[in-house]
Amino acid sequence: EAGVAQSPRYKIIEKRQSVAFWCNPISGHATLYWYQQILGQGPKLLIQFQNNGVVDDSQLPKDRFSAERLKGVDSTLKIQPAKLEDSAVYLCASSLVFPPGHGYTFGSGTRLTVV
Amino acid sequence: GEDVEQSLFLSVREGDSSVINCTYTDSSSTYLYWYKQEPGAGLQLLTYIFSNMDMKQDQRLTVLLNKKDKHLSLRIADTQTGDSAIYFCAESINDYKLSFGAGTTVTVRA
Repeated sequence: EAGVAQSPRYKIIEKRQSVAFWCNPISGHATLYWYQQILGQGPKLLIQFQNNGVVDDSQLPKDRFSAERLKGVDSTLKIQPAKLEDSAVYLCASSLVFPPGHGYTFGSGTRLTVV
Repeated sequence: GEDVEQSLFLSVREGDSSVINCTYTDSSSTYLYWYKQEPGAGLQLLTYIFSNMDMKQDQRLTVLLNKKDKHLSLRIADTQTGDSAIYFCAESINDYKLSFGAGTTVTVRA
């Protein structure tokens, strides 16, 4: 089975610019997650979707971050405007069942550098 | 609370056993996980343990869970150079959200 696809792999932008990341989960996985991994730290959940509905976005900085999952499949995460502290790897993950007792599958991530 | 702690570095000789330790805080966590991250890659699920178990073995991997002390460990037998990576311990929060530690960087030396 194909894994979780993310693009782009790398992105360098200047502060105050906008950026968008794309994720295509494993086919049939209803639950999709976006995590932020800052260098030297473990990933932290930004937002979780169940189909196209938001389950948890309590850690999403809503003044600058937004995410959507139209049609319950692909998802995009946007940052507008970016700050230096947004430099991180943005990981998308998906799971077949909810709750994902057996863990979920991560994509390779998008590494964002804000200069 | 959500606070998973693990040691940052471990150096081990090839062929020896590696033991990575982790402490977590949420006593209601249903599952606990170990993920592996190689350079430039996403996180790969290595193994998980249900909270009512105290041990799980999967080939070279052994997970021990001490629920009373909220302590989780991962033992890798016969450590190989391909095991060099960052290992993350994670606990489930409210059954769906994973709270990760900062990761333990394992270096395997010849």
